[in-house]
Amino acid sequence: DTGVSQDPRHKITKRGQNVTFRCDPISEHNRLYWYRQTLGQGPEFLTYFQNEAQLEKSRLLSDRFSAERPKGSFSTLEIQRTEQGDSAMYLCASSLDGGDEQYFGPGTRLTVT
Amino acid sequence: AQSVTQPDIHITVSEGASLELRCNYSYGATPYLFWYVQSPGQGLQLLLKYFSGDTLVQGIKGFEAEFKRSQSSFNLRKPSVHWSDAAEYFCAVGASGGYNKLIFGAGTRLAVHP
Repeated sequence: DTGVSQDPRHKITKRGQNVTFRCDPISEHNRLYWYRQTLGQGPEFLTYFQNEAQLEKSRLLSDRFSAERPKGSFSTLEIQRTEQGDSAMYLCASSLDGGDEQYFGPGTRLTVT
Repeated sequence: AQSVTQPDIHITVSEGASLELRCNYSYGATPYLFWYVQSPGQGLQLLLKYFSGDTLVQGIKGFEAEFKRSQSSFNLRKPSVHWSDAAEYFCAVGASGGYNKLIFGAGTRLAVHP
């Protein structure tokens, strides 16, 4: 068990470009969450997967954002036409079905210039 | 709507001193409550959690927290702070929905003076 991993750890992009982040949850964890954390704030929920099904999306997840979890394993979060307001830390977490603890990855820090 | 308030943005304590970080929540039912710690460059690590039962819960690294329903509070305490405790601390509540989507407070940044 190597924990939740995220790739890349840092991403600098120009406004208007598309970016994609990857999250590998702890194996056998069938729940996967994405959160966004801006400077000086706590993480905010973005979306949740139960296996491959995306069961909830926050209003924060505009139509420029899309998340997938094919085959219920790793997940990707894509941001299209990035804006400066998208600059944040994107955190992924996973947990067991029926489990009560979410295990967080180190995050991907996105900077949009 | 569910919410979490951490009234203290920054706290500075001397090493060896006691610590209390405040957390107030708003939730319509019995909450699931958590404290996480985040060190620079690190992910969030769970310190402790409360679901039911004994209102005083023990966590890792010598931390404890007390659930007080009447005050809607879940304050984090440590009797003697170590320099390595300097980090950002987040209180969170598990939202309804059966899958524990977390709602976090804005965090309290702890500095420890030698």
